[in-house]
Amino acid sequence: DIRMTQSPSTLSASVGDGVTITCRASQYMSISLAWYQKKPGKAPKLLIHTASILASGVPSRFSGSGSGTEFTLTINSLQPDDLATYYCQQYSSLSPTFGQGTKVEIK
Amino acid sequence: EGQLVENGGGLIQPGGSLRLSCAASGFIVSSYYMTWVRQAPGKGLEWVSGIYSSGNTKDAESLKGRFTISRVASQNTLYLQMNRLGVEDTALYFCAAATGDPGAFDIWGRGTMVTVSS
Repeated sequence: DIRMTQSPSTLSASVGDGVTITCRASQYMSISLAWYQKKPGKAPKLLIHTASILASGVPSRFSGSGSGTEFTLTINSLQPDDLATYYCQQYSSLSPTFGQGTKVEIK
Repeated sequence: EGQLVENGGGLIQPGGSLRLSCAASGFIVSSYYMTWVRQAPGKGLEWVSGIYSSGNTKDAESLKGRFTISRVASQNTLYLQMNRLGVEDTALYFCAAATGDPGAFDIWGRGTMVTVSS
């Protein structure tokens, strides 16, 4: 299985800050990568697919980049509603795998 | 817009079996890649099993063949048969669909909780 490693595990930032989350894959996987936002008690929400394509209805302050083995999710101008845990997920192999998650806290 | 609603969770003793269901509306289950994902208390998301539009299935190796994913087209419903349950299977189980980019799950249910305990 392809192992996905996210960093940092937790980050704390102020409203209006820009934040970046990194996801590294244990092997090459082109651009078959998605990012999700998960809030307690709610279903995961798809933010980004194909590494950089914004899902329908997702605010433009979210963006994704990367290819191969290193990917990033960037939130420009962090908003209070962005308090959540973010997960990357690869779908390059027949067994999708998720990163361990990055919890975003608002200072 | 598509929706998914899971049912079938509950409290089950170790070694027992349970079948989860996931009813879809607004899209056809058999036309897309469907999956089950779980989240144990305080833990991250873990992919469990998937079924392609072709009917081919794939399970996580860690499950050692204990779980089986299936679908019934006439009911537009996805299922997960779980056997030989252990305490490590305690989790919130989500079903999800990839209706756009195959492999990226854009429709999710709210989950059904499975608790394995004596």
